Amino acid sequence: EDKVVQSPLSLVVHEGDTVTLNCSYEVTNFRSLLWYKQEKKAPTFLFMLTSSGIEKKSGRLSSILDKKELFSILNITATQTGDSAVYLCAVPDKAGGTSYGKLTFGQGTILTVHP
Amino acid sequence: GAVVSQHPSRVICKSGTSVKIECRSLDFQATTMFWYRQFPKQSLMLMATSNEGSKATYEQGVEKDKFLINHASLTLSTLTVTSAHPEDSSFYICSARDYATSGGGETQYFGPGTRLLVL
Repeated sequence: EDKVVQSPLSLVVHEGDTVTLNCSYEVTNFRSLLWYKQEKKAPTFLFMLTSSGIEKKSGRLSSILDKKELFSILNITATQTGDSAVYLCAVPDKAGGTSYGKLTFGQGTILTVHP
Repeated sequence: GAVVSQHPSRVICKSGTSVKIECRSLDFQATTMFWYRQFPKQSLMLMATSNEGSKATYEQGVEKDKFLINHASLTLSTLTVTSAHPEDSSFYICSARDYATSGGGETQYFGPGTRLLVL
């Protein structure tokens, strides 16, 4: 059974701080790892990572994957109160046969950014 | 691109009634959509995989007669909660896989969710 573990489970910082969120995984047939941000509604897509060592960047957010050590990190620099959310890491199983690429989620990291 | 909508966003109903939730992919075709429910402060729980033109695949423990799924077209899946009870109150979220963009279709885009309250 695929397994995704995130740490820390919660994090409280002040505006301007830099945070690093961790996601480790144990999956068969790894294809990609996804990061989402969830505020009060449903998750919004942040990144999809497929290759080791290639950083994906979007503004103050960046993420990288290490397929050898089976983990990914999500960095947020110069945090703002609007970054407060639950950050979810997920891995799709391999689509094919009876599998349709369903996601296994980590528990999520609750990030709180104080002004 | 890759926008998924859900309707309604919020619904309150009486116990025993049925509620239908629609999930639409607005700018892409989705042969596969997924239905989740989420309780407060918990992660998403996959209920079923909805496949266009065929029967849905339900996760263990999810009653298929209670949560009816119909994926009638490449852009629409519906979830009907039949004979709803207070314990069915939850946040229901759909997602769709976009095969055409984002690296081969493994990214799922989520709808905004539907909050169901059964009195």
